[in-house]
Amino acid sequence: DVKVTQSSRYLVKRTGEKVFLECVQDMDHENMFWYRQDPGLGLRLIYFSYDVKMKEKGDIPEGYSVSREKKERFSLILESASTNQTSMYLCASTPPRGPQFFGPGTRLTVL
Amino acid sequence: AQTVTQSQPEMSVQEAETVTLSCTYDTSESDYYLFWYKQPPSRQMILVIRQEAYKQQNATENRFSVNFQKAAKSFSLKISDSQLGDAAMYFCAYRSPLGGNQFYFGTGTSLTVIP
Repeated sequence: DVKVTQSSRYLVKRTGEKVFLECVQDMDHENMFWYRQDPGLGLRLIYFSYDVKMKEKGDIPEGYSVSREKKERFSLILESASTNQTSMYLCASTPPRGPQFFGPGTRLTVL
Repeated sequence: AQTVTQSQPEMSVQEAETVTLSCTYDTSESDYYLFWYKQPPSRQMILVIRQEAYKQQNATENRFSVNFQKAAKSFSLKISDSQLGDAAMYFCAYRSPLGGNQFYFGTGTSLTVIP
């Protein structure tokens, strides 16, 4: 079974802090994704990566950056956290054809 | 861009009964994938069922089945013999093989199972 793990289930940070969310997958997938999930808005794509050191902006990249130094690891970075970035963050990976496999999510609260 | 629409924000079903969740999508492509995901409260999003557009036969996974109407661009999920553990948010998703990495999600349907 595909396993996607995220570094934290719950995280509380203060405004202005730099925040790192890490995601690791164990199925050698090339494609990895970061979404944020908010009630009533569904999943919104922040960034995705289709290979090591490659990244593409999604629908809402502002205020975020990503890093993919190794194939199995995809990090989401909030350079200066703001309260409007309080949300659930979901990481996913996918093979070339087929579904996405999701991590358990990180619920981030920015105070 | 493709759009995925789930017109039922909330649904409820009596335990042991059958419920159908609706999903429609907009696309000009002929080859694509469709998925239903389940997200229980505070838990991980998991894949329920998948359908390849080139397959005419509707996918089935135990109590879960789909009604795939390609011409109508409709992809509904039927849950038979509903159980309390089926209570969750359900998301319909579309994947374009041409774009490779483009997934489109509906806004979800919250399913309540009444004992």
